[in-house]
Amino acid sequence: DAGITQSPRHKVTETGTPVTLRCHQTENHRYMYWYRQDPGHGLRLIHYSYGVKDTDKGEVSDGYSVSRSKTEDFLLTLESATSSQTSVYFCAAAGTGLTGELFFGEGSRLTVL
Amino acid sequence: AQSVTQLDSQVPVFEEAPVELRCNYSSSVSVYLFWYVQYPNQGLQLLLKYLSGSTLVESINGFEAEFNKSQTSFHLRKPSVHISDTAEYFCAVIDTMEYGNKLVFGAGTILRVKS
Repeated sequence: DAGITQSPRHKVTETGTPVTLRCHQTENHRYMYWYRQDPGHGLRLIHYSYGVKDTDKGEVSDGYSVSRSKTEDFLLTLESATSSQTSVYFCAAAGTGLTGELFFGEGSRLTVL
Repeated sequence: AQSVTQLDSQVPVFEEAPVELRCNYSSSVSVYLFWYVQYPNQGLQLLLKYLSGSTLVESINGFEAEFNKSQTSFHLRKPSVHISDTAEYFCAVIDTMEYGNKLVFGAGTILRVKS
């Protein structure tokens, strides 16, 4: 058990509505990541966190924001969802710099109608 | 920036046959390479990794990958596959960011094992 849980696991929403996905970890990992998975693209990094209140952008950050107020929680927010944000979102965590293992949650499937 | 290319989007193979999933990476002074596996409706799990040392790395379930610097490749192989190996496999490389590292993933290869 990697100790990473995501909620909700499935969500259907309408264009223009705000959406927040939550990632919770129990292993006190320093680094946390949000990726999106789309067919033919693999996983692409949205945002990441390198400590409490410390976050930075990944390669596909437009339209997304994140917050990390506690070590264990990393929130991903879509301020105004669009159909292009329909995807499967994965949270991941790592202790030190990724030369070790990256632990993944089971994913959150978001559909924007 | 580092990148990886997985050359096959899908690989169908019969049970007990050998398989090779191909991965090429962008050349760099130092490189750390990974293979992750994703079973249906699950997150990704680390299969094996190359950080340094022996160029041949193995997983506990019979997969192996060889780091080839001259060909910038890190192909994944298994001499005899099982139905349970059906999954999507991702090659990944570490890329350095301003405040830490990230994994850059290839597009994935779906391995379909047929009986």
